[in-house]
Amino acid sequence: DTGVSQNPRHKITKRGQNVTFRCDPISEHNRLYWYRQTLGQGPEFLTYFQNEAQLEKSRLLSDRFSAERPKGSFSTLEIQRTEQGDSAMYLCASSETDSNQPQHFGDGTRLSIL
Amino acid sequence: RKEVEQDPGPFNVPEGATVAFNCTYSNSASQSFFWYRQDCRKEPKLLMSVYSSGNEDGRFTAQLNRASQYISLLIRDSKLSDSATYLCVVRKTGYQKVTFGTGTKLQVIP
Repeated sequence: DTGVSQNPRHKITKRGQNVTFRCDPISEHNRLYWYRQTLGQGPEFLTYFQNEAQLEKSRLLSDRFSAERPKGSFSTLEIQRTEQGDSAMYLCASSETDSNQPQHFGDGTRLSIL
Repeated sequence: RKEVEQDPGPFNVPEGATVAFNCTYSNSASQSFFWYRQDCRKEPKLLMSVYSSGNEDGRFTAQLNRASQYISLLIRDSKLSDSATYLCVVRKTGYQKVTFGTGTKLQVIP
C-alpha cells in the first residue's frame, strides 16, 4: 500500500510566481480531493475529482487556482501569481467511490510565499 | 454559525485519564461522520468512522446523536502518544466534500 503521495513536500517562492503541486492518489481510488490548511484551522475543501471530472469547487478556489486530473490518476494544483495569503499546507486526499468511505491524506505540500 | 464546531482546547490530562471531546454540526442532512487525528505539522489520519449505533475501537469510543446534532469521542486510559489534535469531520448528504472542524488539541501529561 503506497498511500497518497504528494510532491514537493515544501515549496518556497516569491510573491507573484506560479507554483504547481502534484498528487498521486491510492491507485484504486476514483476520488481525489484538494484541501488547504492554515495554522490552527482544520483543512478547508478546495476541489474534488471523480476520475478525470472535476465535480465540485469551493468558492475559496479563486481564478488564480486551477486543478487538473487529466487521466483520472494523478492530479496537479497550480496557483498563478501567488500572494502571501496563499501560504498554507496543501493537502491531497483520495477515497473509494462509496461515499461513506473515509478519505486518506497525503503528507501535504507546505507553501511559503516570501 | 460554523458548519462544524469543536472546542479548540487544549485539553491537558494526566496519563491514564479518560477524556471526551464533543463536536456539533449545523446541517441536519449530514450523513457521514469521522474522527481524524493530526500530529503537529503532519497530515490528518483517520482515527475512526462514527456509526449511528456508536462504535468502539480499543480505548476509543465514538458516538453520534442525530437529535442534538453532535458526535463525541471518548478516549480511555490516555497515553502520552495520544497527544495530538483531534478533528471532527462531517459530510452532507448529496455532497462528496467533507467539512472539518478546527480540531481539539489534546496534551497527555506524564
